[in-house]
Amino acid sequence: EAQVTQNPRYLITVTGKKLTVTCSQNMNHEYMSWYRQDPGLGLRQIYYSMNVEVTDKGDVPEGYKVSRKEKRNFPLILESPSPNQTSLYFCASSRTGGDSYEQYFGPGTRLTVT
Amino acid sequence: AQRVTQPEKLLSVFKGAPVELKCNYSYSGSPELFWYVQYSRQRLQLLLRHISRESIKGFTADLNKGETSFHLKKPFAQEEDSAMYYCALNTGGFKTIFGAGTRLFVKA
Repeated sequence: EAQVTQNPRYLITVTGKKLTVTCSQNMNHEYMSWYRQDPGLGLRQIYYSMNVEVTDKGDVPEGYKVSRKEKRNFPLILESPSPNQTSLYFCASSRTGGDSYEQYFGPGTRLTVT
Repeated sequence: AQRVTQPEKLLSVFKGAPVELKCNYSYSGSPELFWYVQYSRQRLQLLLRHISRESIKGFTADLNKGETSFHLKKPFAQEEDSAMYYCALNTGGFKTIFGAGTRLFVKA
């Protein structure tokens, strides 16, 4: 089944403890992206990647890191999480080129930082 | 500045009534616009995109460049249309800006 998976789905952690949220897609998509969803703000793009080893900042990159060493994986790293990073995080992927930029979303990861 | 505005946080209509979810955008280039929907306990998924000019589940959306709008419309709302709807702007193919979303509630 074509899909985007994220792990973990739920995470409660403490301020300053490094964490990684994994994202994987099995559709051979070039493009992958991370969003955070907050009430009243919708989805805001954190980072995106056009292909392996090519990443760029979205609108809210502060406090986050990403890497794209393999086409299928795009982990989100919080080196020193803070309470303002408590949010619902979504990973997405899509093909590039042609006329389609439809994004396929993962199920979400709910992160709480205390 | 690039921006997507969905002025209504919540829209409540009766079953069978017409529904219009508003979306306005700010972008100096050639926009590519989408509507995504998130049903309860499901993933965010594409509903429709302006370049395909199609009707999905009875919904349509027309890009109005003069008014910089991409409103989503359906002539007769159904209870199963109750969901969160997001308008999204794709800029240059890789950066995507989402609106804050509109929760549609269709009452029986």
